[in-house]
Amino acid sequence: NAGVTQTPKFRILKIGQSMTLQCTQDMNHNYMYWYRQDPGMGLKLIYYSVGAGITDKGEVPNGYNVSRSTTEDFPLRLELAAPSQTSVYFCASTHGHSNQPQHFGDGTRLSIL
Amino acid sequence: AQTVTQSQPEMSVQEAETVTLSCTYDTSESDYYLFWYKQPPSRQMILVIRQEAYKQQNATENRFSVNFQKAAKSFSLKISDSQLGDAAMYFCAYRSAGLASGSRLTFGEGTQLTVNP
Repeated sequence: NAGVTQTPKFRILKIGQSMTLQCTQDMNHNYMYWYRQDPGMGLKLIYYSVGAGITDKGEVPNGYNVSRSTTEDFPLRLELAAPSQTSVYFCASTHGHSNQPQHFGDGTRLSIL
Repeated sequence: AQTVTQSQPEMSVQEAETVTLSCTYDTSESDYYLFWYKQPPSRQMILVIRQEAYKQQNATENRFSVNFQKAAKSFSLKISDSQLGDAAMYFCAYRSAGLASGSRLTFGEGTQLTVNP
């Protein structure tokens, strides 16, 4: 059981480049999330989805886009990378509507230079 | 909007001793969940313990226990018999039980725990 899988694990981008962070889960969870964690800080919610075709903004959505075409996948898109987007990105999933915790991927460390 | 505050950026404890990490939160809701997550240097997010707000009994998981004070909006984590492997960043997190919330988590800023041999 792989759980939540994120790719890539590390990436360096130049300012203005675009990329997609991939996230897939094999637990048939309806709810999926993207968080970012800046150095020495807690996680902040970027976007989330409560099911295929449904997405919503979190605390810090600017500069990002998401889509949810399947239950398993929830990619995060950076269109014009900026130094302020240097961070560690975590994807998570859960069944929702219960006390079940969110399951996290191992994170993607992204540097924008 | 809910907020979570961890007032101790850093804590240290001697191996085999007990340490308590503090967490307070602000909410107008009556039904919610609270979690403690551990993040070791590998940066994995590992669930330590959870508490349902409607339960008066404090949750325990082996050496980990919480002191949940709903009226005071306080949710502290006690680690007994501390081990070197407990060294990590610890995050307190809040989740509304309401359907509209999307079950999303609000995290505190974290407490870095050092365990001294």
